[in-house]
Amino acid sequence: EPEVTQTPSHQVTQMGQEVILRCVPISNHLYFYWYRQILGQKVEFLVSFYNNEISEKSEIFDDQFSVERPDGSNFTLKIRSTKLEDSAMYFCASRGDRSEVKPQHFGDGTRLSIL
Amino acid sequence: DAKTTQPNSMESNEEEPVHLPCNHSTISGTDYIHWYRQLPSQGPEYVIHGLTSNVNNRMASLAIAEDRKSSTLILHRATLRDAAVYYCIRGSNMLTFGGGTRLMVKP
Repeated sequence: EPEVTQTPSHQVTQMGQEVILRCVPISNHLYFYWYRQILGQKVEFLVSFYNNEISEKSEIFDDQFSVERPDGSNFTLKIRSTKLEDSAMYFCASRGDRSEVKPQHFGDGTRLSIL
Repeated sequence: DAKTTQPNSMESNEEEPVHLPCNHSTISGTDYIHWYRQLPSQGPEYVIHGLTSNVNNRMASLAIAEDRKSSTLILHRATLRDAAVYYCIRGSNMLTFGGGTRLMVKP
């Protein structure tokens, strides 16, 4: 069964540094998402992406965050200047189309630790 | 605001059925009801979804109340591997996760 893969599984970064989290969605999917989960808290939506542009974003997704689909297979989340509170699990998801009848498929996440 | 209400936790014995309830009293007529689960150290995993009729798949069954204000996820025979947090989510492009129900399965 096709899977969403995320790399790295764990990223440790100094505060103030830029970090890029990488995701390879399922190959024929068109809609892509990032979510995050701070330790012990709920999974929170960050952003959705379709047709090379952001379709929805949450209040968390401020100017420090950006997303890109650089080569037709990867989907990346960049945080420009990391803060301690960015420490969380970051999950990438993809969906075949926007219809609610299609589920979102999640990767197993990247644990981001900001020191 | 997840707009769904679930018990914080439930316990089940292995090999017994489990009924996980969810209230979504303000659901609109076109919102699907989705269930996802999150096993320890993994990303959320799709379980099942429905609109009005009861649904079955290889993982679970979904029973939807006639007024659609509540639903129940049914695991027919719980296994230890089913221990997870189960999320009931009203449909939209972006998924809004609440706290979910932590299901513990006792051997």
